[in-house]
Amino acid sequence: LAKTTQPISMDSYEGQEVNITCSHNNIATNDYITWYQQFPSQGPRFIIQGYKTKVTNEVASLFIPADRKSSTLSLPRVSLSDTAVYYCLVGDGRDDKIIFGKGTRLHILP
Amino acid sequence: EAGVVQSPRYKIIEKKQPVAFWCNPISGHNTLYWYLQNLGQGPELLIRYENEEAVDDSQLPKDRFSAERLKGVDSTLKIQPAELGDSAVYLCASSTRLVGMDEQFFGPGTRLTVL
Repeated sequence: LAKTTQPISMDSYEGQEVNITCSHNNIATNDYITWYQQFPSQGPRFIIQGYKTKVTNEVASLFIPADRKSSTLSLPRVSLSDTAVYYCLVGDGRDDKIIFGKGTRLHILP
Repeated sequence: EAGVVQSPRYKIIEKKQPVAFWCNPISGHNTLYWYLQNLGQGPELLIRYENEEAVDDSQLPKDRFSAERLKGVDSTLKIQPAELGDSAVYLCASSTRLVGMDEQFFGPGTRLTVL
């Protein structure tokens, strides 16, 4: 079971690029890396998923180095509305327990 | 497309009373999850269904919690009797099997307060 470690909180300013790194030293060969975003009083929302190298969608990019022991979620030009908790999950979705952890509380300042 | 529907949104009960939460997943999603989320914590999986079958209920406190998903569509999570420590948000999510981990779609949750 691959555990993840994320910073508890981060602050940034509007218009900046924000990078949140997640450590997962025991990631298994079949594991994927998935990030969710959660606003207060809402359920989490899927942001992005990747297996290796780089994945980009309309919301974020996910960078995964060759050893896959960490990953970085990159949010380009953040706005106040990006203030939320971001969770990094690792697993194959079949045999592994689904573990959200405490996530990273991102606070965007004006 | 309608999202995951949960009801009620809020529930206040006294301890030792029973309570039930209902979830209607996104149409066509065969996988359904129930999570518990305490304040300041991430969601914790209680049970996962594949159609009607509970494929992972290892984290469900079976002495007081029960769940069912008849006909493989909507689902009910019940607590009987409720304890003070059960106060939390109960989230339902659904998904279809994709490559890798599922993209789970979450409902708004039910906030339970046990007095």
